[in-house]
Amino acid sequence: TQLLEQSPQFLSIQEGENLTVYCNSSSVFSSLQWYRQEPGEGPVLLVTVVTGGEVKKLKRLTFQFGDARKDSSLHITAAQPGDTGLYLCAGMNSGYSTLTFGKGTMLLVSP
Amino acid sequence: DAMVIQNPRYQVTQFGKPVTLSCSQTLNHNVMYWYQQKSSQAPKLLFHYYDKDFNNEADTPDNFQSRRPNTSFCFLDIRSPGLGDAAMYLCATSRGIHVGRRNNQPQHFGDGTRLSIL
Repeated sequence: TQLLEQSPQFLSIQEGENLTVYCNSSSVFSSLQWYRQEPGEGPVLLVTVVTGGEVKKLKRLTFQFGDARKDSSLHITAAQPGDTGLYLCAGMNSGYSTLTFGKGTMLLVSP
Repeated sequence: DAMVIQNPRYQVTQFGKPVTLSCSQTLNHNVMYWYQQKSSQAPKLLFHYYDKDFNNEADTPDNFQSRRPNTSFCFLDIRSPGLGDAAMYLCATSRGIHVGRRNNQPQHFGDGTRLSIL
């Protein structure tokens, strides 16, 4: 069974602070996705990283995929209250349509 | 807009009384998934359909069943809900990939049905 360890589980910060969320595994994934979920809604895809060493930017969010395709990070610069939500990393496996989810990071950004 | 729609958004049922949750999609995706999500936890995959092929996760209780009468619709049936089955149930869809191919297809989630058990 492939596992994704996500840390931290909870993060409470003030508006304007920076933060990093980590997603680690001992297994190789064909690609890795990050989702954000707001209360009462389904997860929404933020990004897919496919190539080892890849870096993708989405406004104030920076996503990295490890060289060995086993780990990933999400860095948020100058967090805003609108960034509050559950951040989920999910690994995808070659030849399969299913995702392996990390346990999620609940982020609370206070004004 | 193409999307994944779940009905109802909130469902209340009695302990032991069968309940059905529904999901429809306009994306024409061939894979549909059902997840169970408890408070502030990651979604847990219950099963998925790849076209008409049903794939059950090993630890999904027998109490949970699913039907997919056509490409657009998928149902989750809980035969005898217990208190521990109270959760958010999420439906998702994706394009299927060929065996052995690198998979980078995103999953598109509905907004879920929150199930309460009395």
